[in-house]
Amino acid sequence: EIMMTQSPATLSVSPGERATLSCRASQSVGSNLAWYQQKPGQAPGLLISGASTRATGIPARFSGSGSGTEFTLTISSLQPEDFAVYYCQQYDYWPYSFGQGTKLEIK
Amino acid sequence: QVQLVQSGAEVRKPGASVKVSCKSSGYAFTSYYIHWVRQAPGQGLEWMGWINPHNDDLNYGQKFQGRVTMTRDTSISTVYMELSNLRSDDTAVYYCTRERGVADAFDYWGQGTLVSVSS
Repeated sequence: EIMMTQSPATLSVSPGERATLSCRASQSVGSNLAWYQQKPGQAPGLLISGASTRATGIPARFSGSGSGTEFTLTISSLQPEDFAVYYCQQYDYWPYSFGQGTKLEIK
Repeated sequence: QVQLVQSGAEVRKPGASVKVSCKSSGYAFTSYYIHWVRQAPGQGLEWMGWINPHNDDLNYGQKFQGRVTMTRDTSISTVYMELSNLRSDDTAVYYCTRERGVADAFDYWGQGTLVSVSS
């Protein structure tokens, strides 16, 4: 099973600033990497797939990069609604696996 | 619009079984795999398995082998996830989610079903 490791576990950032979240895979997953956002009491929602392609309706302040084993989600100019938990997921090999999540909180 | 609507919360005793439903609408039901993902309280996301509604192919996570059964009813565009021999650590919100394509991300999610296991 491919292990996905996210860092940091918690990230404190002020509104309007940039946030950078990391995700590492235990072996190469190519570009088969997705990012999801989850707010309290809600199901996760797709943000990014193919490591860098925003899902429909996702604002341009969200961007993804990386390939192989190292991936980054960047949120430029944080808005109040962006404070949530973010998960990465690889879908290159069964079983599809998630990272443990990064909680983005208001500083 | 695409929707996945799950059944309501359940409470079970240890050793019992639970069956959660996920009704799809707004798209061709047999054209997309449905996965089940669970989330224990305050924890992350855990993939459980998938079902191909087209031909009933299945793939269960090793952790759940022997305890989980996924089925579908194409006449009502619904998939089911049954988990047996429940333990307290099975307490979680269970989500169904649609895989967008072959080896692809999960683009639509159900609202989640809380399953509580307690004596």
